[in-house]
Amino acid sequence: DGGITQSPKYLFRKEGQNVTLSCEQNLNHDAMYWYRQDPGQGLRLIYYSQIVNDFQKGDIAEGYSVSREKKESFPLTVTSAQKNPTAFYLCASSMSSYNEQFFGPGTRLTVL
Amino acid sequence: GESVGLHLPTLSVQEGDNSIINCAYSNSASDYFIWYKQESGKGPQFIIDIRSNMDKRQGQRVTVLLNKTVKHLSLQIAATQPGDSAVYFCAEIYYNQGGKLIFGQGTELSVKP
Repeated sequence: DGGITQSPKYLFRKEGQNVTLSCEQNLNHDAMYWYRQDPGQGLRLIYYSQIVNDFQKGDIAEGYSVSREKKESFPLTVTSAQKNPTAFYLCASSMSSYNEQFFGPGTRLTVL
Repeated sequence: GESVGLHLPTLSVQEGDNSIINCAYSNSASDYFIWYKQESGKGPQFIIDIRSNMDKRQGQRVTVLLNKTVKHLSLQIAATQPGDSAVYFCAEIYYNQGGKLIFGQGTELSVKP
């Protein structure tokens, strides 16, 4: 069953803690992306990776970090430096930057 | 253009009617556009795409129209069904930024049975 998986579906964090969100794809896609969505708004790009061992900052990268050690995995760490981390986080992948992106089911992060 | 504000435009239609959802984009150099459907609490789902060398593309019950002169996209859904109720986003791809998607504000479609 091909697709993009994200875990966990819901995540609660205390202020000052780092948390890591998982994103895995078995579509053999080269490019992967992390977006953030706030209520009633569209998605904004946090980080993207066009190839293994390489990634670039998106529009709102401050307070986040990523790694791309394997083609199928692109974890996102939300650090304590992110001032307003409560949001819905979406991971996407595509064959390349010239192709449509397919999204995972999302992780809803709440900071208590 | 990029999403602004907290209040989504809404469109309410009767089941069986046709729906038209509109979107304006900002970058005249954009040449690839995608419509996504997002149900509550889920990730966006690809509906249909169009490249700038076309002005119309049809899928199953959906049609996308592109007017490059006024930088406008529309999504037409034929014979709208209750399962079509969702938020619809248009997005433009920025190739020079790794394929980044820039999302429009979104429109909430509500289908009355």
